[in-house]
Amino acid sequence: GAVVSQHPSRVICKSGTSVKIECRSLDFQATTMFWYRQFPKQSLMLMATSNEGSKATYEQGVEKDKFLINHASLTLSTLTVTSAHPEDSSFYICSARGRVRETQYFGPGTRLLVL
Amino acid sequence: KQEVTQIPAALSVPEGENLVLNCSFTDSAIYNLQWFRQDPGKGLTSLLLIQSSQREQTSGRLNASLDKSSGRSTLYIAASQPGDSATYLCAVVIGGSEKLVFGKGTKLTVNP
Repeated sequence: GAVVSQHPSRVICKSGTSVKIECRSLDFQATTMFWYRQFPKQSLMLMATSNEGSKATYEQGVEKDKFLINHASLTLSTLTVTSAHPEDSSFYICSARGRVRETQYFGPGTRLLVL
Repeated sequence: KQEVTQIPAALSVPEGENLVLNCSFTDSAIYNLQWFRQDPGKGLTSLLLIQSSQREQTSGRLNASLDKSSGRSTLYIAASQPGDSATYLCAVVIGGSEKLVFGKGTKLTVNP
């Protein structure tokens, strides 16, 4: 099956700093990538949808200036958490979808801890 | 607004037992339904995808059914093994959209 990687897998940062998370599709071209956030014992919540070469579409309640998403190529999307606060601590998962509109392939996730 | 509910939240069974996980959704206008597996601190692995026009899908010891009109899906696991221990997530794609709406999952523990 298709492989999606995320980097880093775990990051600890100080409050007020920015953190960048990368999501890569390794063996297919991802026209669309999705970013999710998962709090403990909660559902995955979609944060935003990004299409290659265009601006991301954010879900209601997600601050676009705080969670910057860039989908500059067909294999890479980045999520930057700007001025991170402890309440941003969460598990962030990306997924990617190729040209055939069927399933999304998920990355392994990034655990963010903001101190 | 589409809501997905999974029951039970947690399940513990002895090895070898057959089991059923339940998923319900409030809006029957779905494009498809997927079952995923998530191991602790890991991403998601897709297990089965059922299109809205289908009634069930099978893969090995797993069988998923879909009753769109009643807003229900079940995941049947036969002859459970300790390696099946994980959280199982159900998600639907809303018709006319590409968004996945997830349930909170069922945490399964299979005891040797």
